[in-house]
Formats: sequence, structure tokens, C-alpha cells
Amino acid sequence: DSGVTQTPKHLITATGQRVTLRCSPRSGDLSVYWYQQSLDQGLQFLIQYYNGEERAKGNILERFSAQQFPDLHSELNLSSLELGDSALYFCASSVIGGAEGADTQYFGPGTRLTVL
Amino acid sequence: AQKVTQAQTEISVVEKEDVTLDCVYETRDTTYYLFWYKQPPSGELVFLIRRNSFDEQNEISGRYSWNFQKSTSSFNFTITASQVVDSAVYFCALTGNQFYFGTGTSLTVIP
Repeated sequence: DSGVTQTPKHLITATGQRVTLRCSPRSGDLSVYWYQQSLDQGLQFLIQYYNGEERAKGNILERFSAQQFPDLHSELNLSSLELGDSALYFCASSVIGGAEGADTQYFGPGTRLTVL
Repeated sequence: AQKVTQAQTEISVVEKEDVTLDCVYETRDTTYYLFWYKQPPSGELVFLIRRNSFDEQNEISGRYSWNFQKSTSSFNFTITASQVVDSAVYFCALTGNQFYFGTGTSLTVIP
């Protein structure tokens, strides 16, 4: 158990809908990262937050957004969902999360999103 | 540009065999970090090791060992005396301004 929690574990929804994925980092970790894992794209970095502020952005679509709250939990919002958004979404956390990425990232169990 | 290549897509070995998973990376940074993660069938990503670019000493942890060679930009992972529980997808990753993951190597250990 990494100490990172994600809810829900599974989510099934329809195209065009909007969903919110939630992540609680390990105690004491200030940085949260979001990743998408799909069969055709592999593990893709989406976005990183550090202590409430956006720190780095990867291959995140404009239909997706995220935020980190004062209690350090984070939410990833996915809207106007398409079939291709079906994937496993991971959250990870690290202590600091410097721009050089020196911290070890500990991953949550993931949320499996299925868009029908 | 930063990139991680895991050329071995799938490997099958018989239990107790040794197996090496290859990882080749590209970066222009002088300071960087390399990681290995394991993703068992249950799906979670488990941290295995972190190595910084200034430390080329090989590391051994039980049946696991890692060989880091800057000259060939490689960070290979060897499992000695493999076990069925080692069956998983293994990812190598490189840090820059974000994490860059390889495409993973799926290891199947046959009893």
C-alpha cells in the first residue's frame, strides 16, 4: 500500500458526460501528479500540482482540468467524454516535486474509467 | 528531447531462470534520475528503485539488481531466480521536467 488513495476504483459513464476523479496524497506529500494509462498510448503524464499550484503540464486535453485543494487532495475533471478517454487514471504523490523531478513518485491504485 | 526505450515488449521465462530487462534512455540533462516501477496484474504501480545520474554504482536488493551505465545510457534490471510472483509489467522512467515512462516490458514467469 503506497498510502495514496484514489476514488472511485471504477467508473462507467456515457459519451458526452463529465466525471470527477479524486486523489488523496500520502501524508506529508505536497505534490500530486495525474497520469493516463491506455493500451495504445501507454503511461502519459497529464499534470502536476505542488501545494495547490500547477507545477507542470503534460499531454492534458483541454476537456480535462485538475486542481489541488488546501488539504492537498486533488481532483481531475474530465468533460465531454469520448470513447477514447477510456483508460486507467493514476494519481501519484511525492514529497516536494521539484521541476527536475527528483522525488520518487508513489502511485495510487488507479481509477478505471469506461466510456460507453 | 527526453525518451525512454524498452525494446523488449514481452518476455517469458521459466521459474528460477534469470532475466534482464533492458532500458535505454536519452537526455541532454547532466542531472537526472532513473526509476523502475512494477505493475502486477492487479494494476497498481509499485516503486522499485531510484538512481541519480551521478551514482553509477550497481545496486542489489535481494533477487533484484540494477546495472546503470552512463556510457551506453542504459539502466538495466535483472531478476535472479525468477518466481511466478515476478510476473508483471515493468516500466523504466526518466525525469526531466516531468516523468517520461518507457512502454513497459511484460514479464511472464512460467511455473
